[in-house]
Amino acid sequence: AQSVAQPEDQVNVAEGNPLTVKCTYSVSGNPYLFWYVQYPNRGLQFLLKYITGDNLVKGSYGFEAEFNKSQTSFHLKKPSALVSDSALYFCAVRDVNAGNMLTFGGGTRLMVKP
Amino acid sequence: DADVTQTPRNRITKTGKRIMLECSQTKGHDRMYWYRQDPGLGLRLIYYSFDVKDINKGEISDGYSVSRQAQAKFSLSLESAIPNQTALYFCATSTSGTGRYGYTFGSGTRLTVV
Repeated sequence: AQSVAQPEDQVNVAEGNPLTVKCTYSVSGNPYLFWYVQYPNRGLQFLLKYITGDNLVKGSYGFEAEFNKSQTSFHLKKPSALVSDSALYFCAVRDVNAGNMLTFGGGTRLMVKP
Repeated sequence: DADVTQTPRNRITKTGKRIMLECSQTKGHDRMYWYRQDPGLGLRLIYYSFDVKDINKGEISDGYSVSRQAQAKFSLSLESAIPNQTALYFCATSTSGTGRYGYTFGSGTRLTVV
């Protein structure tokens, strides 16, 4: 079965510093990978996705993610964190064995301190 | 107007009461989902529907039921609410191929059972 893991419950970073939120996956076949962000009292919002092509995917709000097939990872990155980036981040993988439904990771809370 | 609308946004109900959470979408997506989110936890799938005549249980369907009244509407019912059903509930939609953004989420319903 497809699965996705976010090994860190929380990531703390100072404003202006680079940030990384980690995600690893396990799929059969080619992975379709997604990142979503959830701000307080809001639903999840799409950030970016990887289907094929360039391993570095650029998304909304200055975020990018690097697909690494050998390490089965899809880490979310941003060169310079903002306080307003503080939110809950979810990685997801498309499960072709479940009718293309998404399997979500457990989420990582990002705290950016001024 | 939001693409996926959930009503109510907040609800407090008493133990034993029947309650319905409603979801409507203007995306034209075939698929609709109900998720539950508890503090500190990720998303857990309650029910999903791939089209109007299709209803499927997710990982935590006990104590819940759903109705897909039309392509655009998917309701979640708690037949007899209990305090441990206090949570944030999300509706989501998608195409069969996952599409450009994967899932589109509503803003959530915060349910408190007292």
